Amino acid sequence: NAGVTQTPKFRILKIGQSMTLQCTQDMNHNYMYWYRQDPGMGLKLIYYSVGAGITDKGEVPNGYNVSRSTTEDFPLRLELAAPSQTSVYFCASSTPRQDWDYGYTFGSGTRLTVV
Amino acid sequence: QKEVEQNSGPLSVPEGAIASLNCTYSDRGSQSFFWYRQYSGKSPELIMFIYSNGDKEDGRFTAQLNKASQYVSLLIRDSQPSDSATYLCAVNIRSGNTPLVFGKGTRLSVIA
Repeated sequence: NAGVTQTPKFRILKIGQSMTLQCTQDMNHNYMYWYRQDPGMGLKLIYYSVGAGITDKGEVPNGYNVSRSTTEDFPLRLELAAPSQTSVYFCASSTPRQDWDYGYTFGSGTRLTVV
Repeated sequence: QKEVEQNSGPLSVPEGAIASLNCTYSDRGSQSFFWYRQYSGKSPELIMFIYSNGDKEDGRFTAQLNKASQYVSLLIRDSQPSDSATYLCAVNIRSGNTPLVFGKGTRLSVIA
């Protein structure tokens, strides 16, 4: 099982460029999430999805877009990259085993630098 | 008001000692609580979750939950240098499978 796969692992963008961070999971999880983590900070939710065709904003959605056309894929789009988007991005997925038991499976992360 | 608070540390403990990591949360309706370990440059990995008041033990790890005090902790017994990492507390602040809210994490250093 590959789990949650994120690509690329590293990327340097110039201000104003755009890119898509890819996230794929092979566990048939309904729920998928994008978080960003800045140095010394916890994880902040950007967007999440509870199933194909359904997405919702998190705490810090500005400057990002998502789509969920399949259960497996949840790409994150950055439009007009800004230095404030320099961060490590984590994709995660989950499925509830019980109402309270749904620990995330995280991808390995994408380290993005905007210069 | 921050929703999930953790002391950022670093918390330094000698090898073999008990490490105690603490987390408070603001929403009384919070349902379930998770502890993740994150090594430098790596992704978080789930250590434990707890949803009932009291203690839950798994090997060297014990999670403790006190909903009245809005407090959850993680104890690591017989700490090892390999336990040195950042520990993230995460809370489900509403019922159902809503996204977790994470604290900033506590950095633990176990000194050999």
